[in-house]
Amino acid sequence: DSGVTQTPKHLITATGQRVTLRCSPRSGDLSVYWYQQSLDQGLQFLIQYYNGEERAKGNILERFSAQQFPDLHSELNLSSLELGDSALYFCASSGRDNSYEQYFGPGTRLTVT
Amino acid sequence: AQKITQTQPGMFVQEKEAVTLDCTYDTSDPSYGLFWYKQPSSGEMIFLIYQGSYDQQNATEGRYSLNFQKARKSANLVISASQLGDSAMYFCAMREVQGGSEKLVFGKGTKLTVNP
Repeated sequence: DSGVTQTPKHLITATGQRVTLRCSPRSGDLSVYWYQQSLDQGLQFLIQYYNGEERAKGNILERFSAQQFPDLHSELNLSSLELGDSALYFCASSGRDNSYEQYFGPGTRLTVT
Repeated sequence: AQKITQTQPGMFVQEKEAVTLDCTYDTSDPSYGLFWYKQPSSGEMIFLIYQGSYDQQNATEGRYSLNFQKARKSANLVISASQLGDSAMYFCAMREVQGGSEKLVFGKGTKLTVNP
């Protein structure tokens, strides 16, 4: 158990809809990262937050947004969903004890039909 | 440009034997870090081992060791005494840092199958 929790584990929704994925980092970690894993694109970095502030953006679509709250949990919002958004979405966290390791949550599997 | 290259889409190994999974990387930064993660069929990403570019010795964690050859820009994962439970996808990743931001850049992965 990495200590990172993600909800829900599975999500099935229709095209055009909006969903919110939630992540709670390990206790003591200030950084939260979101990654997308799809068959065609592999594992791709989406966005990083550090203590509530956005720090880095990767290949994140404009239809996607994220935030990190004062209690350090994070949410990834995906809107106007398309079939191609079907993927496994991971949250990771790091920073405790000044270590570099990113610990991943179990992921949310999103299926857009 | 691809920064992490894993040239072995699939590897097979007999139980109890050692196996090496290849990873080469490309960066012009003098300070970087390399990770290996394991992803079993259940989907979770499990951190295995980390090597910093300035670390003098190769990293080891139990049956996992990292064969770090800086001049060749390679960071191969060695799994000793393979077990059936080692069957999984293995991803090599590089830590990229720019200012206050950081991210992991992943390779495409190697699927390891351990045969009894």
